[in-house]
Amino acid sequence: DQQVKQNSPSLSVQEGRISILNCDYTNSMFDYFLWYKKYPAEGPTFLISISSIKDKNEDGRFTVFLNKSAKHLSLHIVPSQPGDSAVYFCPNLNFGNEKLTFGTGTRLTIIP
Amino acid sequence: DGGITQSPKYLFRKEGQNVTLSCEQNLNHDAMYWYRQDPGQGLRLIYYSQIVNDFQKGDIAEGYSVSREKKESFPLTVTSAQKNPTAFYLCASSLMGGADQPQHFGDGTRLSIL
Repeated sequence: DQQVKQNSPSLSVQEGRISILNCDYTNSMFDYFLWYKKYPAEGPTFLISISSIKDKNEDGRFTVFLNKSAKHLSLHIVPSQPGDSAVYFCPNLNFGNEKLTFGTGTRLTIIP
Repeated sequence: DGGITQSPKYLFRKEGQNVTLSCEQNLNHDAMYWYRQDPGQGLRLIYYSQIVNDFQKGDIAEGYSVSREKKESFPLTVTSAQKNPTAFYLCASSLMGGADQPQHFGDGTRLSIL
């Protein structure tokens, strides 16, 4: 199984600046990661993914970086906007039973 | 527009009653999932189904039941055996089963006990 940890429960960033959300993982055999974003009282929204054949995947203001040697991935949001205030998840992928496990995520607050 | 519809948005139940939460998708996705979210906790998987007429227990299946008679529908029944049913329930679907498949979520149903 892939264990992914988000070590920061919260992050505050000034509007217009870069937001960087981080995750560390344990299992190098499963280098595939997804990021989700969740607003209160709504379901999560799939944001972006990355696989081990890439070091970087970009979609508009969102870029995910994968550092395989450090077993670390990060999501960059540039420039940060008030609508980016949400909880961000990089869930565990359990390939044995084909399910995702969502932790408590990182709450991003963009300060106007 | 394709998507996932959960109904109702708010649901109230008397103690001892069963209640069924609806989840419908028109994305032609094979796999569907039910999660529960409690304050201060992550999403926890209740049940999931990778194909019609088949489903598996997730991490917290006790007190819940599901059916998958049609591809587009995956209703969740919260039974009276579920001792703490008050929570926010989320349904999701993915094109195929598999942990690496992006899941598309509905807007949730908030269940409260009267």
